[in-house]
Amino acid sequence: DQQVKQNSPSLSVQEGRISILNCDYTNSMFDYFLWYKKYPAEGPTFLISISSIKDKNEDGRFTVFLNKSAKHLSLHIVPSQPGDSAVYFCAAYSGGGADGLTFGKGTHLIIQP
Amino acid sequence: DAGVIQSPRHEVTEMGQEVTLRCKPISGHDYLFWYRQTMMRGLELLIYFNNNVPIDDSGMPEDRFSAKMPNASFSTLKIQPSEPRDSAVYFCASSVGGWDRESYEQYFGPGTRLTVT
Repeated sequence: DQQVKQNSPSLSVQEGRISILNCDYTNSMFDYFLWYKKYPAEGPTFLISISSIKDKNEDGRFTVFLNKSAKHLSLHIVPSQPGDSAVYFCAAYSGGGADGLTFGKGTHLIIQP
Repeated sequence: DAGVIQSPRHEVTEMGQEVTLRCKPISGHDYLFWYRQTMMRGLELLIYFNNNVPIDDSGMPEDRFSAKMPNASFSTLKIQPSEPRDSAVYFCASSVGGWDRESYEQYFGPGTRLTVT
């Protein structure tokens, strides 16, 4: 049973517009969330994270929003650029230290010129 | 630092053969993780080590899979005997560990694409 769900396998956005990637989770013990970006033939690379004590974290063009009551988080990219085309994974920790991450299946973001 | 290093990058083998995947974590990282990525199941944690000691291997699919970490700079994931359903991309990742939030960030290697025919 998927504890972290990314329901959109792919998303197409025009260059310069906002990209919004969504993620839902079911485990209320998760207390730290991360977004990873993956290019073909490479490993995932860390993008941005948020603790459950916050509802927003911003880093340049990337902002992650967390709605704990809805068990939902989203990644906003604005403005979207061609280099943002990649697979984005949502991941979560249940806390207590450096346990393994629980990943969603990923959303393939395609930025159209 | 060169990052997490994995070898080989690609492995093609016949069913029944033994396969060994290798990983060198980032120097100074206390945690090492093995993940498997498939189309059906996405990225799954197989096993992780803390200071070379296996902590949680509940994700290892069956006894055909084994992992070792003989020292802080080397780990192996072995499949014996291999089966076609083991075909996947296997990632190794490492992290600093500890209680700071920054320690949760894991650094991934480029992966090993395994094909079992």
